[in-house]
Amino acid sequence: TQLLEQSPQFLSIQEGENLTVYCNSSSVFSSLQWYRQEPGEGPVLLVTVVTGGEVKKLKRLTFQFGDARKDSSLHITAAQPGDTGLYLCAGAWYSGGGADGLTFGKGTHLIIQP
Amino acid sequence: GAGVSQSPSNKVTEKGKDVELRCDPISGHTALYWYRQSLGQGLEFLIYFQGNSAPDKSGLPSDRFSAERTGGSVSTLTIQRTQQEDSAVYLCASSLNVGPYGEQYFGPGTRLTVT
Repeated sequence: TQLLEQSPQFLSIQEGENLTVYCNSSSVFSSLQWYRQEPGEGPVLLVTVVTGGEVKKLKRLTFQFGDARKDSSLHITAAQPGDTGLYLCAGAWYSGGGADGLTFGKGTHLIIQP
Repeated sequence: GAGVSQSPSNKVTEKGKDVELRCDPISGHTALYWYRQSLGQGLEFLIYFQGNSAPDKSGLPSDRFSAERTGGSVSTLTIQRTQQEDSAVYLCASSLNVGPYGEQYFGPGTRLTVT
């Protein structure tokens, strides 16, 4: 069973600060995705990383996939109150017999205080 | 275009009753997934469909859970003899293709409360 450990579980910081969220596993994933979820809504995909060592940027968000494809990080620069939400990492793997669902971390509840 | 829709948005039911949750995926998406999200437990994968077929049902929590998909489109998740531990938000997602690189698009979920 593939497991994803996400940290920190909760994070409250002031507007303008930087932060990093980590996602770690003992399993190698085919790809890793980051989602953001707001209350009462489903998760919304932010990015998919596929290649070990890959770095993707989305405005103030930087996503990195570990070289061994077992871990990933999300870094937010100069956080804004609009960044508040639940951030989820999710690993995907291809079993050969068909696609399985995503394995999600438990999420990081991020609060950016004005 | 329209996203993934789910109905009902909220469902309160008495313990022991059966419930049926519905998911309308994005048109043209061949893969459909069901997840359960509980407080403190994160998202739990339940089952996926490729077309109308569900190759692996081992993620369903018990034999009280079943799912079907007809016409390669709408899917229903049925929970029989509901228990309080079934209370959760049930999320449906669809993707254009099967595989680990497919982007999954989620619906808003159905919040199920079993009293």
